[in-house]
Amino acid sequence: DAGVIQSPRHEVTEMGQEVTLRCKPISGHDYLFWYRQTMMRGLELLIYFNNNVPIDDSGMPEDRFSAKMPNASFSTLKIQPSEPRDSAVYFCASSAPGIRNTEAFFGQGTRLTVV
Amino acid sequence: AQSVTQPDIHITVSEGASLELRCNYSYGATPYLFWYVQSPGQGLQLLLKYFSGDTLVQGIKGFEAEFKRSQSSFNLRKPSVHWSDAAEYFCAVGLRNRDDKIIFGKGTRLHILP
Repeated sequence: DAGVIQSPRHEVTEMGQEVTLRCKPISGHDYLFWYRQTMMRGLELLIYFNNNVPIDDSGMPEDRFSAKMPNASFSTLKIQPSEPRDSAVYFCASSAPGIRNTEAFFGQGTRLTVV
Repeated sequence: AQSVTQPDIHITVSEGASLELRCNYSYGATPYLFWYVQSPGQGLQLLLKYFSGDTLVQGIKGFEAEFKRSQSSFNLRKPSVHWSDAAEYFCAVGLRNRDDKIIFGKGTRLHILP
């Protein structure tokens, strides 16, 4: 397996624009996590899914953020409208079923810059 | 509320010296415990994990960690660091209940002196 795949790797956008980040989890994994990493706040869990269903979105900072998982092999994180303070590295991770809280496998991240 | 504390934001050690990175957690029960490493521009990679049993856990790249229940700690150690160990290290806890979240500490950046 190629691991967790995120796209794009880098995104630069203007304030007010819509941004969509994409993630393909490892095949067979039924947990998918979206994290945001900044210097100030470290690694924050935004939302996670189990079997394509959102379980906990309490980490989503504002209504401008939304995430979907239409099927087991694809998830999106959308920011609309984007703001400069959304600039961060966004990571997607997935983990296997059967054992709760087992290892999470991370993608390489999307570095978002909002100017 | 559950939390993970890594008290050292930066640590600098000389190549060949020993290393210990601290991690403390706050949780009502014994959680699952992890250490991840992040190299520049990369995602996080699992170094080791503790679920139960032997409290001294061996990981990849020569790292080990010891779970101490009485201190709510899970410190990461390596007897002799290499320049390639320079990276950011994250301690994380997974919660043993219906909530399957993994909570990360803020990380410790390790610098290696030649």
